Amino acid sequence: DVKVTQSSRYLVKRTGEKVFLECVQDMDHENMFWYRQDPGLGLRLIYFSYDVKMKEKGDIPEGYSVSREKKERFSLILESASTNQTSMYLCASSSRGPFKGTQYFGPGTRLTVL
Amino acid sequence: QKEVEQNSGPLSVPEGAIASLNCTYSDRGSQSFFWYRQYSGKSPELIMFIYSNGDKEDGRFTAQLNKASQYVSLLIRDSQPSDSATYLCAGRSNDYKLSFGAGTTVTVRA
Repeated sequence: DVKVTQSSRYLVKRTGEKVFLECVQDMDHENMFWYRQDPGLGLRLIYFSYDVKMKEKGDIPEGYSVSREKKERFSLILESASTNQTSMYLCASSSRGPFKGTQYFGPGTRLTVL
Repeated sequence: QKEVEQNSGPLSVPEGAIASLNCTYSDRGSQSFFWYRQYSGKSPELIMFIYSNGDKEDGRFTAQLNKASQYVSLLIRDSQPSDSATYLCAGRSNDYKLSFGAGTTVTVRA
């Protein structure tokens, strides 16, 4: 079974703090994604990566950066957290092989910025 | 306009009935489609995917794809209270990204 894990289920941070969210997958997937999900707005793609050290902006990259130094790990960084970044953050991974496109999600991190 | 649109719902069905969820897409290049179920406070989990025209059945779930009309649907037969969740439709048009619909919330009344 595909397993995607995220470093924290719940996180509370102060405005202006630098925040790191980590995601690890154990299925050797090439692609990894970071989304945020807010009521009424659905899933919105922040960044994705299709290979180590490669990244592309999604629909809402402002205020975020990412890092992918190893194939299994994809980190989302909030350089200076703001209250409008309070949200559920979801990491996902997918393969370019058979069943390509199928994204498997981690459990999510609910971030609150005070 | 979003690439993938879902009938907004919410949808309420009695236990044992069929729940019908619909999704339309704008990108004719979309190659495959996915249905995810998301329980409140949880992350999306894959129910099934479909890439050929016609029906695909998996247990109580049937996905239908009509590329000419650009719609995808999901039928849940013999609906159970445990099927109460938000269902997300997604389409893939390249090697990487999925475009997700906003979701349809289904409530199954016991």
